[in-house]
Amino acid sequence: DQQVKQNSPSLSVQEGRISILNCDYTNSMFDYFLWYKKYPAEGPTFLISISSIKDKNEDGRFTVFLNKSAKHLSLHIVPSQPGDSAVYFCAASEPGSARQLTFGSGTQLTVLP
Amino acid sequence: SAVISQKPSRDICQRGTSLTIQCQVDSQVTMMFWYRQQPGQSLTLIATANQGSEATYESGFVIDKFPISRPNLTFSTLTVSNMSPEDSSIYLCSVGPTTAGETQYFGPGTRLLVL
Repeated sequence: DQQVKQNSPSLSVQEGRISILNCDYTNSMFDYFLWYKKYPAEGPTFLISISSIKDKNEDGRFTVFLNKSAKHLSLHIVPSQPGDSAVYFCAASEPGSARQLTFGSGTQLTVLP
Repeated sequence: SAVISQKPSRDICQRGTSLTIQCQVDSQVTMMFWYRQQPGQSLTLIATANQGSEATYESGFVIDKFPISRPNLTFSTLTVSNMSPEDSSIYLCSVGPTTAGETQYFGPGTRLLVL
C-alpha cells in the first residue's frame, strides 16, 4: 500500500514557465512533508518542506501548497530553468521518536530550453 | 545542514560476496537511516540506526542480510551480505530529525552492481 503517491512519472515544461508537481498521500497521521530533488548518481537534495499547520510555504522560486482535506500537496517552480531538470520526490513523516520518511515514486521533470 | 560522505561511491561485486558501505557525518547525530533505491524505483527505508542500540529494520529487511553497525554518533556501516543481482541498487544513508520542522539530509549514495 503506497502511502505517498506521485501519479505523474514525468513532466516536461518550457524554460520560464511554471512547473507543477503533484503528490497525494493516504496516511492522515503525516504532519510534515518535504520535497527532494535528485540528480543521477547523487543523493537526494532537500528543497522545501511544509508542516501540516500551514497550507503554503515559499522559498525563492519554489512554493509548496498543502491541501489537508484532499490529502494533496504540490510543488510549484516559477520560473522553471533547465538546471531544474531532475527527479523530484515528495516525502512525508509522522510524529514519533524517529521521523522516518515515506517517499513517493518520483517525477522526472525536464525543462526544455 | 549536515555533510555526509559515503564509501565506496560505487562498486561492482560478484554474486555471493558481501560489501560494507560506510557513512560518515560531520557532526554528531542521534538518528541515522539507511535507504535503498532500486533501479527506477523510489527510496525504501531499510533500517534506523541509533548509537548504542540494535538497528530497527523495516518489513522485508532482516539483520542477517543487512547488518548495521553504529559505533558512535558520527559513523555507521551497512553490509549487504551474500549478494545477488537483485541487490543491485543505490544505497543511501541519511541523518534525521527527531522533531517536526527539521530536515533529513542524505549522503551521495553508493551505487552497487551485482553480477
